Amino acid sequence: DTAVSQTPKYLVTQMGNDKSIKCEQNLGHDTMYWYKQDSKKFLKIMFSYNNKELIINETVPNRFSPKSPDKAHLNLHINSLELGDSAVYFCASSQDRFSPHQPQHFGDGTRLSIL
Amino acid sequence: AQKVTQAQTEISVVEKEDVTLDCVYETRDTTYYLFWYKQPPSGELVFLIRRNSFDEQNEISGRYSWNFQKSTSSFNFTITASQVVDSAVYFCALSPPAGANSKLTFGKGITLSVRP
Repeated sequence: DTAVSQTPKYLVTQMGNDKSIKCEQNLGHDTMYWYKQDSKKFLKIMFSYNNKELIINETVPNRFSPKSPDKAHLNLHINSLELGDSAVYFCASSQDRFSPHQPQHFGDGTRLSIL
Repeated sequence: AQKVTQAQTEISVVEKEDVTLDCVYETRDTTYYLFWYKQPPSGELVFLIRRNSFDEQNEISGRYSWNFQKSTSSFNFTITASQVVDSAVYFCALSPPAGANSKLTFGKGITLSVRP
């Protein structure tokens, strides 16, 4: 029944490794997002996809690469992890890019810790 | 450019007190949308309410109420008779109308602690 699910919930890894976070939504939404929440709880958008098309790409290092195999999935791959990547990453979805009045629904977050 | 300011960073109250969380926004758009989200200690982000810029009616939902005032660009959130379960980080957010780079801008959040 989970609307937006992301895995894993926790990710502990060493600097320099490559890791992926998966996200799936079963709401039938067209638009999906990745947000980063830092240690001060500040939420910042990283990417947005609408029906598999990249529509928002904030100033995120190239080490971060989103992939959307279909509109229900948006995965985030991170290469060469750095200490500063430690954060909580949230996946979200909303109806579509033409409905900003519709709320975004968030996953439970993935807490990434870099050792 | 859009901006959301939540000037209060941390608020601590005793159970049953009323508490108001402030939100001030900036936008050049005439149509926009405001949201409040709750992030409890368990970490998930929960949608609470949406308000359209052309609808200034205040809203009440149980112990929660929202006061939207375009004249002061504010969208404040009041919890009446607070409870320990209200302890969370509360985010105010602003969305522009649909557009190529339309995105949600969050405030920095207010950490509310309700003590028994």
